[in-house]
Amino acid sequence: GAVVSQHPSWVICKSGTSVKIECRSLDFQATTMFWYRQFPKQSLMLMATSNEGSKATYEQGVEKDKFLINHASLTLSTLTVTSAHPEDSSFYICSAEQTFKETQYFGPGTRLLVL
Amino acid sequence: EDQVTQSPEALRLQEGESSSLNCSYTVSGLRGLFWYRQDPGKGPEFLFTLYSAGEEKEKERLKATLTKKESFLHITAPKPEDSATYLCAVQASGHFNKFYFGSGTKLNVKP
Repeated sequence: GAVVSQHPSWVICKSGTSVKIECRSLDFQATTMFWYRQFPKQSLMLMATSNEGSKATYEQGVEKDKFLINHASLTLSTLTVTSAHPEDSSFYICSAEQTFKETQYFGPGTRLLVL
Repeated sequence: EDQVTQSPEALRLQEGESSSLNCSYTVSGLRGLFWYRQDPGKGPEFLFTLYSAGEEKEKERLKATLTKKESFLHITAPKPEDSATYLCAVQASGHFNKFYFGSGTKLNVKP
């Protein structure tokens, strides 16, 4: 139980293009999902909190127009990196909080490389 | 300011050599403390949730304990497959559902 998937698992794109990453909770409903970024040998950095049916809450320093988040259903949240640049290359991980429980379950991550 | 500190940064053990990882925290009000295991190139895998001082949870060779200021992850007779980075996260009152993560402890168990 409590499985979270991400798609794609890795993506390579050209600078200036947009990339969409999907995060799905497969066997539970998630009112809240989270998007993290992780640099090599560092811990997770929270980018934004996504609530179903409402606007995402972004952490300080995270550009909301660059990292578009949509949480259209209780099982799906998407992160779109718009006009990607090489500095956006990173490991992006989502998590889903099971409704009425505090525990976050993480997806396997998406590795983005912008050339 | 809410803060989570993990120590040591890295730990090398021989197979069978028991040890403990530490997670100290300062938060305005603890809602929960969470332990995760992360393998290279993968997302964190949930291990334990602890809610109140004195609480203990066990899973195979792992045991997590919680006090008012810190949590310990005890590893008994570790095996090479226990090698991973162990992350501690704290959820604080008044901060909705946000997790504050520590920087992790990288464990390497040699055969």
